[in-house]
Amino acid sequence: SQQGEEDPQALSIQEGENATMNCSYKTSINNLQWYRQNSGRGLVHLILIRSNEREKHSGRLRVTLDTSKKSSSLLITASRAADTASYFCASNQAGTALIFGKGTTLSVSS
Amino acid sequence: EAGVAQSPRYKIIEKRQSVAFWCNPISGHATLYWYQQILGQGPKLLIQFQNNGVVDDSQLPKDRFSAERLKGVDSTLKIQPAKLEDSAVYLCASRLTADTEAFFGQGTRLTVV
Repeated sequence: SQQGEEDPQALSIQEGENATMNCSYKTSINNLQWYRQNSGRGLVHLILIRSNEREKHSGRLRVTLDTSKKSSSLLITASRAADTASYFCASNQAGTALIFGKGTTLSVSS
Repeated sequence: EAGVAQSPRYKIIEKRQSVAFWCNPISGHATLYWYQQILGQGPKLLIQFQNNGVVDDSQLPKDRFSAERLKGVDSTLKIQPAKLEDSAVYLCASRLTADTEAFFGQGTRLTVV
């Protein structure tokens, strides 16, 4: 079964705009991770946020975590055409496998 | 640091045939996963290994799927016999501990005809 649900399922924006994707999960977690997947390729790890953290930055990426609402968001600032991909959140309880949501497909047009 | 290696990249087989996938995780990573990703969906866990022991195989269709991790390093996933609905990308991932990021291989795209 899938633990997380991303929202929206699809997002289309222009280059330079910001993209925000949301993720909700069902049970308590140890950490939550975001991944990117280009068409036909493997998943690339973007960022990991632990349950005791509320916000984390990495380059143009900003991730927030609200454990009381069991939700997380991924913000990509100043998007580029190369950001076009599917984005997945994966929640992780201690010692267990990553459980993925269905993903958000982001299209950035130039 | 070398990444997770998987082979083959692509495989086309007829239904009822058997197929095997191979994965070599990042050196030193004790935890290894196999995921199935059907087109348009997120990856679904099939099995989790810790060294050479199975931690979670609750979603592995054991009547046709099997997996092993000999000596706690490389792993193979086998399907026998294959069904049309097994068409998917099979992803292998490894991580150092249960609290770190997972690294994924490029996957094996299986088409069952």
